[in-house]
Amino acid sequence: KAGVTQTPRYLIKTRGQQVTLSCSPISGHRSVSWYQQTPGQGLQFLFEYFSETQRNKGNFPGRFSGRQFSNSRSEMNVSTLELGDSALYLCASSLAASGRTDTQYFGPGTRLTVL
Amino acid sequence: AQSVTQLGSHVSVSEGALVLLRCNYSSSVPPYLFWYVQYPNQGLQLLLKYTTGATLVKGINGFEAEFKKSETSFHLTKPSAHMSDAAEYFCAVSDPDAGNMLTFGGGTRLMVKP
Repeated sequence: KAGVTQTPRYLIKTRGQQVTLSCSPISGHRSVSWYQQTPGQGLQFLFEYFSETQRNKGNFPGRFSGRQFSNSRSEMNVSTLELGDSALYLCASSLAASGRTDTQYFGPGTRLTVL
Repeated sequence: AQSVTQLGSHVSVSEGALVLLRCNYSSSVPPYLFWYVQYPNQGLQLLLKYTTGATLVKGINGFEAEFKKSETSFHLTKPSAHMSDAAEYFCAVSDPDAGNMLTFGGGTRLMVKP
């Protein structure tokens, strides 16, 4: 079974631009979560989508948004990029059929650099 | 609110020596606990998890961890380190009824000396 895939793997943007990152979960998985990883703040939860609905949200500004499609693929968008948004963005998928915490499988991440 | 503290951002061991990576958590509810490993330029790979039941959990690559409620700890151990174990390790906690929101510790970089 193919793992979680994320595209693109690397991205360079300038301040003020917006960016969209994509995540394809493992086949059959209905939950997709997004995390931001930076040297200063570590790994932080952004949001979780399940069956096209946002189920959980972390403590990030409204510039960070996401969505999930009917095939469980997910995108996250960051508008008005700031230098501090430079990070590795990780996507994780899980079955999550019960609504309780389920084992999450992570993709390789998208490395975003904001200049 | 939940939090995780990993004592020691860097740990160095000799090949063949015991690996001990420390994790303490804070949670207002009985938590689920996880250990993940991250190799350079890769995502996170699950090593093991504790949900309910047996407090000693065995994972992949010879790692194991013990859930100690009285000490709010979930330390990761491996009897004999291999060079291939060099990586960054993350402990994480979740509220089982709050979906898939993981709270991670700051990570411990394990270095293995030949």
